[in-house]
Amino acid sequence: GAVVSQHPSWVICKSGTSVKIECRSLDFQATTMFWYRQFPKQSLMLMATSNEGSKATYEQGVEKDKFLINHASLTLSTLTVTSAHPEDSSFYICSAFPGLAGRWGQFFGPGTRLTVL
Amino acid sequence: RKEVEQDPGPFNVPEGATVAFNCTYSNSASQSFFWYRQDCRKEPKLLMSVYSSGNEDGRFTAQLNRASQYISLLIRDSKLSDSATYLCVVSDNRDAGNMLTFGGGTRLMVKP
Repeated sequence: GAVVSQHPSWVICKSGTSVKIECRSLDFQATTMFWYRQFPKQSLMLMATSNEGSKATYEQGVEKDKFLINHASLTLSTLTVTSAHPEDSSFYICSAFPGLAGRWGQFFGPGTRLTVL
Repeated sequence: RKEVEQDPGPFNVPEGATVAFNCTYSNSASQSFFWYRQDCRKEPKLLMSVYSSGNEDGRFTAQLNRASQYISLLIRDSKLSDSATYLCVVSDNRDAGNMLTFGGGTRLMVKP
Protein backbone atom coordinates (compact mmCIF):
# COMPACT_ATOMS: atom_id res chain seq x y z
CA GLY A 1 0.00 0.00 0.00
CA ALA A 2 0.83 3.73 -0.13
CA VAL A 3 1.85 3.87 -3.78
CA VAL A 4 2.27 7.22 -5.50
CA SER A 5 2.66 7.58 -9.25
CA GLN A 6 3.82 10.48 -11.39
CA HIS A 7 3.39 11.16 -15.05
CA PRO A 8 5.35 11.76 -17.16
CA SER A 9 8.54 10.28 -15.81
CA TRP A 10 10.60 12.52 -18.03
CA VAL A 11 9.93 15.37 -20.43
CA ILE A 12 12.00 17.51 -22.75
CA CYS A 13 10.47 20.75 -23.96
CA LYS A 14 11.38 23.99 -25.65
CA SER A 15 11.82 27.18 -23.70
CA GLY A 16 8.53 29.06 -23.31
CA THR A 17 6.24 26.05 -23.31
CA SER A 18 4.19 24.81 -20.38
CA VAL A 19 4.52 21.37 -18.87
CA LYS A 20 1.98 19.58 -16.70
CA ILE A 21 3.03 16.92 -14.22
CA GLU A 22 0.50 14.63 -12.57
CA CYS A 23 0.81 13.05 -9.15
CA ARG A 24 -1.60 10.30 -8.15
CA SER A 25 -2.05 8.32 -4.97
CA LEU A 26 -3.03 4.89 -6.25
CA ASP A 27 -4.28 3.03 -3.20
CA PHE A 28 -5.15 5.73 -0.70
CA GLN A 29 -6.68 9.17 -0.49
CA ALA A 30 -4.47 12.13 0.25
CA THR A 31 -5.95 15.41 1.37
CA THR A 32 -2.45 16.85 1.23
CA MET A 33 0.26 16.33 -1.33
CA PHE A 34 3.63 18.00 -1.51
CA TRP A 35 5.72 19.12 -4.46
CA TYR A 36 9.50 19.12 -4.26
CA ARG A 37 12.28 20.06 -6.61
CA GLN A 38 15.76 18.58 -6.58
CA PHE A 39 18.71 19.98 -8.49
CA PRO A 40 21.77 17.80 -9.18
CA LYS A 41 23.79 16.93 -6.08
CA GLN A 42 21.35 18.83 -3.86
CA SER A 43 18.66 17.69 -1.50
CA LEU A 44 14.93 18.02 -2.00
CA MET A 45 13.46 21.46 -1.54
CA LEU A 46 9.78 21.84 -0.80
CA MET A 47 8.06 24.01 -3.38
CA ALA A 48 4.46 23.93 -2.21
CA THR A 49 1.85 22.10 -0.22
CA SER A 50 -1.17 21.08 -2.24
CA ASN A 51 -4.48 20.86 -0.42
CA GLU A 52 -7.52 19.19 -1.95
CA GLY A 53 -10.22 21.71 -2.71
CA SER A 54 -8.22 24.77 -1.76
CA LYS A 55 -5.31 26.87 -2.90
CA ALA A 56 -1.80 25.56 -2.59
CA THR A 57 0.60 27.01 -0.04
CA TYR A 58 3.88 28.03 -1.64
CA GLU A 59 7.27 28.19 0.02
CA GLN A 60 9.15 31.46 0.05
CA GLY A 61 10.83 32.16 -3.25
CA VAL A 62 8.55 29.91 -5.31
CA GLU A 63 6.47 31.83 -7.84
CA LYS A 64 2.86 30.72 -7.62
CA ASP A 65 2.04 32.13 -11.05
CA LYS A 66 4.82 30.12 -12.61
CA PHE A 67 4.20 26.86 -10.81
CA LEU A 68 0.46 26.29 -10.93
CA ILE A 69 -0.86 23.62 -8.61
CA ASN A 70 -4.31 22.08 -8.79
CA HIS A 71 -5.45 19.44 -6.31
CA ALA A 72 -8.58 18.35 -8.12
CA SER A 73 -9.41 15.28 -6.09
CA LEU A 74 -8.25 13.26 -3.12
CA THR A 75 -6.02 11.19 -5.39
CA LEU A 76 -4.71 13.70 -7.93
CA SER A 77 -2.57 16.81 -7.80
CA THR A 78 -1.04 18.51 -10.83
CA LEU A 79 1.90 20.86 -11.15
CA THR A 80 2.10 23.00 -14.28
CA VAL A 81 5.38 24.72 -15.03
CA THR A 82 4.32 27.68 -17.14
CA SER A 83 6.61 29.29 -19.70
CA ALA A 84 9.41 26.95 -18.77
CA HIS A 85 13.01 28.11 -19.07
CA PRO A 86 16.29 26.19 -18.92
CA GLU A 87 16.75 27.12 -15.25
CA ASP A 88 13.53 25.23 -14.49
CA SER A 89 15.21 22.00 -15.57
CA SER A 90 15.15 19.80 -12.49
CA PHE A 91 13.80 16.64 -10.90
CA TYR A 92 10.26 17.29 -9.67
CA ILE A 93 8.94 14.89 -7.04
CA CYS A 94 5.58 14.75 -5.33
CA SER A 95 4.74 13.08 -2.07
CA ALA A 96 1.56 12.21 -0.25
CA PHE A 97 0.67 11.46 3.30
CA PRO A 98 -1.55 8.39 3.57
CA GLY A 99 -2.65 9.11 7.09
CA LEU A 100 -2.85 5.42 7.85
CA ALA A 101 -2.87 4.29 11.43
CA GLY A 102 0.59 3.15 12.36
CA ARG A 103 2.08 4.34 9.09
CA TRP A 104 4.12 7.47 9.54
CA GLY A 105 5.99 9.44 6.97
CA GLN A 106 5.26 10.51 3.45
CA PHE A 107 5.54 8.43 0.32
CA PHE A 108 7.08 9.75 -2.81
CA GLY A 109 6.25 9.44 -6.45
CA PRO A 110 9.02 8.28 -8.79
CA GLY A 111 9.71 11.82 -9.92
CA THR A 112 9.60 13.68 -13.22
CA ARG A 113 12.80 14.76 -14.85
CA LEU A 114 12.22 18.00 -16.75
CA THR A 115 14.72 19.28 -19.29
CA VAL A 116 14.02 22.64 -20.89
CA LEU A 117 16.04 23.36 -24.01
CA ARG B 1 22.63 27.44 9.70
CA LYS B 2 20.76 24.69 7.88
CA GLU B 3 17.72 23.25 9.63
CA VAL B 4 18.93 19.69 9.17
CA GLU B 5 22.63 19.08 8.78
CA GLN B 6 24.42 15.97 7.60
CA ASP B 7 27.97 15.15 6.62
CA PRO B 8 27.72 14.83 2.82
CA GLY B 9 30.42 12.15 2.67
CA PRO B 10 31.03 10.12 0.61
CA PHE B 11 31.63 7.29 3.01
CA ASN B 12 33.59 4.60 1.20
CA VAL B 13 33.46 1.31 3.10
CA PRO B 14 34.18 -2.33 2.28
CA GLU B 15 31.46 -4.95 2.25
CA GLY B 16 30.71 -6.20 5.73
CA ALA B 17 31.76 -3.00 7.45
CA THR B 18 29.71 -1.13 10.00
CA VAL B 19 29.06 2.50 9.20
CA ALA B 20 27.32 5.26 11.15
CA PHE B 21 25.74 8.47 9.93
CA ASN B 22 24.87 11.44 12.08
CA CYS B 23 22.42 14.27 11.67
CA THR B 24 21.58 17.35 13.72
CA TYR B 25 18.43 19.43 13.54
CA SER B 26 17.85 22.98 14.69
CA ASN B 27 14.11 23.07 15.42
CA SER B 28 13.57 21.88 18.98
CA ALA B 29 9.82 21.62 18.28
CA SER B 30 10.37 18.84 15.74
CA GLN B 31 8.08 15.92 16.36
CA SER B 32 8.92 13.13 13.97
CA PHE B 33 12.12 11.89 12.46
CA PHE B 34 12.98 9.61 9.59
CA TRP B 35 15.75 8.18 7.52
CA TYR B 36 15.07 7.98 3.81
CA ARG B 37 17.23 6.34 1.19
CA GLN B 38 17.65 7.82 -2.27
CA ASP B 39 19.28 6.00 -5.15
CA CYS B 40 20.77 7.97 -8.02
CA ARG B 41 18.07 9.62 -10.15
CA LYS B 42 15.29 7.99 -8.11
CA GLU B 43 12.80 9.19 -5.54
CA PRO B 44 13.50 8.97 -1.79
CA LYS B 45 12.18 5.85 -0.12
CA LEU B 46 11.36 5.60 3.55
CA LEU B 47 13.96 3.48 5.31
CA MET B 48 12.74 3.82 8.84
CA SER B 49 11.15 6.11 11.35
CA VAL B 50 13.25 7.12 14.34
CA TYR B 51 11.84 6.81 17.84
CA SER B 52 13.12 8.26 21.10
CA SER B 53 13.73 4.79 22.48
CA GLY B 54 15.80 3.83 19.47
CA ASN B 55 14.70 1.24 16.98
CA GLU B 56 16.19 -1.50 14.90
CA ASP B 57 15.19 -3.02 11.59
CA GLY B 58 17.45 -5.85 10.57
CA ARG B 59 20.92 -4.44 9.96
CA PHE B 60 19.76 -0.87 10.51
CA THR B 61 19.58 0.87 13.89
CA ALA B 62 18.33 4.41 14.40
CA GLN B 63 18.76 6.54 17.50
CA LEU B 64 17.30 9.87 18.51
CA ASN B 65 18.66 12.21 21.17
CA ARG B 66 16.12 14.99 21.64
CA ALA B 67 18.23 16.85 24.21
CA SER B 68 21.12 17.14 21.76
CA GLN B 69 18.85 17.33 18.71
CA TYR B 70 20.82 14.55 17.15
CA ILE B 71 19.81 11.54 15.05
CA SER B 72 21.95 8.61 14.01
CA LEU B 73 21.75 5.66 11.65
CA LEU B 74 23.95 2.59 12.03
CA ILE B 75 24.29 0.06 9.24
CA ARG B 76 25.87 -3.27 10.14
CA ASP B 77 27.33 -5.80 7.71
CA SER B 78 27.18 -3.40 4.78
CA LYS B 79 26.06 -4.80 1.43
CA LEU B 80 26.86 -3.51 -2.03
CA SER B 81 23.16 -2.75 -2.39
CA ASP B 82 23.35 -0.33 0.54
CA SER B 83 25.20 2.14 -1.70
CA ALA B 84 22.92 5.17 -1.88
CA THR B 85 22.38 8.60 -0.38
CA TYR B 86 20.81 8.57 3.07
CA LEU B 87 18.57 11.50 3.92
CA CYS B 88 17.84 12.61 7.45
CA VAL B 89 14.32 14.02 7.52
CA VAL B 90 12.48 15.93 10.22
CA SER B 91 8.89 17.07 10.60
CA ASP B 92 7.25 19.42 13.07
CA ASN B 93 4.14 17.29 12.88
CA ARG B 94 3.77 14.11 14.89
CA ASP B 95 2.74 11.88 12.02
CA ALA B 96 4.56 13.80 9.30
CA GLY B 97 1.35 14.84 7.62
CA ASN B 98 2.96 18.24 7.47
CA MET B 99 5.98 19.43 5.57
CA LEU B 100 9.22 17.50 5.77
CA THR B 101 12.61 19.15 6.10
CA PHE B 102 15.41 17.25 4.43
CA GLY B 103 19.06 17.17 5.26
CA GLY B 104 21.49 17.38 2.40
CA GLY B 105 22.08 13.65 2.46
CA THR B 106 25.07 11.45 3.18
CA ARG B 107 26.41 9.40 0.33
CA LEU B 108 27.48 5.84 1.06
CA MET B 109 29.53 3.72 -1.32
CA VAL B 110 30.07 0.10 -0.36
CA LYS B 111 32.96 -1.51 -2.23
CA PRO B 112 33.60 -5.24 -2.83
